[in-house]
Amino acid sequence: NAGVTQTPKFQVLKTGQSMTLQCAQDMNHEYMSWYRQDPGMGLRLIHYSVGAGITDQGEVPNGYNVSRSTTEDFPLRLLSAAPSQTSVYFCASSPVVRANTEAFFGQGTRLTVV
Amino acid sequence: GESVGLHLPTLSVQEGDNSIINCAYSNSASDYFIWYKQESGKGPQFIIDIRSNMDKRQGQRVTVLLNKTVKHLSLQIAATQPGDSAVYFCGDNAGGTSYGKLTFGQGTILTVHP
Repeated sequence: NAGVTQTPKFQVLKTGQSMTLQCAQDMNHEYMSWYRQDPGMGLRLIHYSVGAGITDQGEVPNGYNVSRSTTEDFPLRLLSAAPSQTSVYFCASSPVVRANTEAFFGQGTRLTVV
Repeated sequence: GESVGLHLPTLSVQEGDNSIINCAYSNSASDYFIWYKQESGKGPQFIIDIRSNMDKRQGQRVTVLLNKTVKHLSLQIAATQPGDSAVYFCGDNAGGTSYGKLTFGQGTILTVHP
């Protein structure tokens, strides 16, 4: 049981490049979400999904796309990377009965956009 | 907009002391309040939650207090250990129609000195 797995762990992009951050969970959780963590800003919700085929925007969705074709996977796509997207990205999942409180986070992806 | 914030950004204690981490919240509609711990280089980890109709909840070495009158949340850690050193985030579930969306504060750095 690996929990929530994020890849890659580190990534450097040039401005304007696109890429996909991968997230997979093996706990059969219905809820999945993406957060970014910046110094002094805490964790901010980017996008979330309440089940396969259903996604919605969080607090800071601009510049990011998501899809949820399976229960297990929830990739985050950066369309055209900007230096403002330099951050640590965390994926999380929750069972629906605990979705109001308990999220299981991955180890994070540290992204630098130059 | 609604937000969750912390009074103190850092807290230093001696091993064996009790720690108290404070948090102010502004979203009166939240149903649940939560505490997470984040160790260096890792994703946040759920500690404990409390529902809005409660004022106290205890876990293993931790107690969460909720004062709705002054919109204040605190996390008490008994007999603090060096392994408790981490960043602690308070948060809530944003209540109402925002089911499943978690909102986090900026975090408090707890340092435990042996």
